[in-house]
Amino acid sequence: EAGVAQSPRYKIIEKRQSVAFWCNPISGHATLYWYQQILGQGPKLLIQFQNNGVVDDSQLPKDRFSAERLKGVDSTLKIQPAKLEDSAVYLCASSPDRGETEAFFGQGTRLTVV
Amino acid sequence: AQSVSQHNHHVILSEAASLELGCNYSYGGTVNLFWYVQYPGQHLQLLLKYFSGDPLVKGIKGFEAEFIKSKFSFNLRKPSVQWSDTAEYFCAVNARNQGGKLIFGQGTELSVKP
Repeated sequence: EAGVAQSPRYKIIEKRQSVAFWCNPISGHATLYWYQQILGQGPKLLIQFQNNGVVDDSQLPKDRFSAERLKGVDSTLKIQPAKLEDSAVYLCASSPDRGETEAFFGQGTRLTVV
Repeated sequence: AQSVSQHNHHVILSEAASLELGCNYSYGGTVNLFWYVQYPGQHLQLLLKYFSGDPLVKGIKGFEAEFIKSKFSFNLRKPSVQWSDTAEYFCAVNARNQGGKLIFGQGTELSVKP
C-alpha cells in the first residue's frame, strides 16, 4: 500500500514570499490532516478535512495560511506571506475515517524562512 | 483544553537497558491514546495504540504501554533496548468521538549507545 506522499521535501524562501505544499493521501482515506511541527515540539494540527469539507481549522492562522482539498483527494497548503516563525516541518496525514482509527503520516516538508 | 506532557526530553541508554518513557495527558473525557515513533530521516509511524479493553497494549518491536486511567498516564516500556531503537518518540491523544484530531506531546529523543 502506497503511503502518504508529500512534496517538496525541502523549501527555503525569504520572508514575505509565498509557498505551497502538496499532499496525496492514502487511497480511499476520507480524512486528511495538516500538522505543523516546530523544532523541539510535537506536531500541532492546522486543519482537518473530511472528504472535501473542513472539520477543524481553529488553529490555522487564516490571515496567511490557506488550504484546500479539491475533489476530496489531494490537498494543498499555502502560506502567503511567510514569516520567520513559519519555519517548521509541515506534515500531512490521512486516516480512513474520523476518530477511532490511526493516522498515517507523510515524510513532511521542511520549510525554512530566511 | 487537552494537553499531553512527556516527562523526558532526551534519554540516553546503553543497549540491553530497560526503557520507560512517561506520558501524562490532561482531558476530562474519554480518550484514545497513541505512541508514534520517528526514526532518523523517516516519517512518523504508529508504535501502538489504546482505544478500549486491556489497558496493557503491545506494539511493534517489543514495545508495550500501560494505560492507567486514574493517573491519566500512558507510559511506554521496553525491557531491553537496541541501538536500532534510537529515534524520537511522541505520545498523542485524541478525544473520543471528536473527530480524530491528535494532540501530541513535545517528544522524547532516545539515544541508544551500542
